[in-house]
Amino acid sequence: DTEVTQTPKHLVMGMTNKKSLKCEQHMGHRAMYWYKQKAKKPPELMFVYSYEKLSINESVPSRFSPECPNSSLLNLHLHALQPEDSALYLCASSQEPFGYGYTFGSGTRLTVV
Amino acid sequence: QKEVEQNSGPLSVPEGAIASLNCTYSDRGSQSFFWYRQYSGKSPELIMFIYSNGDKEDGRFTAQLNKASQYVSLLIRDSQPSDSATYLCAVNGGDGSSNTGKLIFGQGTTLQVKP
Repeated sequence: DTEVTQTPKHLVMGMTNKKSLKCEQHMGHRAMYWYKQKAKKPPELMFVYSYEKLSINESVPSRFSPECPNSSLLNLHLHALQPEDSALYLCASSQEPFGYGYTFGSGTRLTVV
Repeated sequence: QKEVEQNSGPLSVPEGAIASLNCTYSDRGSQSFFWYRQYSGKSPELIMFIYSNGDKEDGRFTAQLNKASQYVSLLIRDSQPSDSATYLCAVNGGDGSSNTGKLIFGQGTTLQVKP
């Protein structure tokens, strides 16, 4: 299995909703990442989990809450989002938290209304 | 502020030609360099990585790294219309003594290969 699976693929939520994005990999990778990508912009790092511990938070607003229940799963909990949070949310994983590059999931396209 | 710079393009080449994509980076401590391809509406796909000065070839793709000039490039030989995509250069965002896993992406170069 060489894939990173993200669900859902599309999500529309209101500003008062609570939702979660899910990411799963079974490649034995020990680092997992959340990136945000706006249209025609490069991906921007949000969080890094290394060996199931949060190692980097790029000053992301608290309305985004990551969780790593185990080495294969990564969640992103969303609450009270703003329309400007609409974007493609990408999960990625890598063998270790350096080198070799990431494998990205197909992303969740989030629209906040 | 660590930066990765790319010409946004579009770079237009005829089918069968060599496409040359360029990237410069500001952090001399960067150790790992990556090229991702992203089709419109899709997620980025890793196509090449390079750590050492010189060239690295994989099929029609060649990555070139010059650390002294802080320059990395991607050559695509025998370009095909299916190569039309945005190519993202990424550099590890470590502090030189350790890698954090963070990648800093350039803005991307849009490549158009015309039949």
